Amino acid sequence: GAGVSQSPRYKVAKRGQDVALRCDPISGHVSLFWYQQALGQGPEFLTYFQNEAQLDKSGLPSDRFFAERPEGSVSTLKIQRTQQEDSAVYLCASSRQDGMPPNEQFFGPGTRLTVL
Amino acid sequence: AQSVTQPDIHITVSEGASLELRCNYSYGATPYLFWYVQSPGQGLQLLLKYFSGDTLVQGIKGFEAEFKRSQSSFNLRKPSVHWSDAAEYFCAVGARTGFQKLVFGTGTRLLVSP
Repeated sequence: GAGVSQSPRYKVAKRGQDVALRCDPISGHVSLFWYQQALGQGPEFLTYFQNEAQLDKSGLPSDRFFAERPEGSVSTLKIQRTQQEDSAVYLCASSRQDGMPPNEQFFGPGTRLTVL
Repeated sequence: AQSVTQPDIHITVSEGASLELRCNYSYGATPYLFWYVQSPGQGLQLLLKYFSGDTLVQGIKGFEAEFKRSQSSFNLRKPSVHWSDAAEYFCAVGARTGFQKLVFGTGTRLLVSP
């Protein structure tokens, strides 16, 4: 596609439910990032993939959060046993490859998760 | 730890007036510096970036930013604001080593009055 797409755009979950958020990066982009943006805040890094390898997951807030990118393209962010504090917009970004200086990260529109 | 400070939560500017959005960073060394814009329902869009060289960088939509090492600042400017510039603006930093995890400020919401 022309840009990064994310689905669903909106998700309402009851506390305790599991959710799965999908990211389709730009075709051929090697790097993929997940960020969490709480209301009124800037995005915060969650995790990073280079192809299918998850090279950094230091930003994942708890072991309830899990991300995968099994074939090096589409990625899924899964949140188990959702809590109210998980309510946020989850942003996915992709870039062509690693290197210095870095390539531009292209962001998707995000998935707004509301946990009731 | 890296951090980015955007001291202005909201700014209101009259259409046609000039704009300056402030950004200060805390980092062990000069990081890569970015400004992004986020419109409602849209993803973040890169306005401009500083890697090295000329400290005044030009971006899209008529924006520019100036890197001042002595002040650890990277302020965004536009000489004449248009109503379509109303959005949320984020300053971000990235490390010069490793992969490009971005650290964002809390954002400044720009309102444009007629």
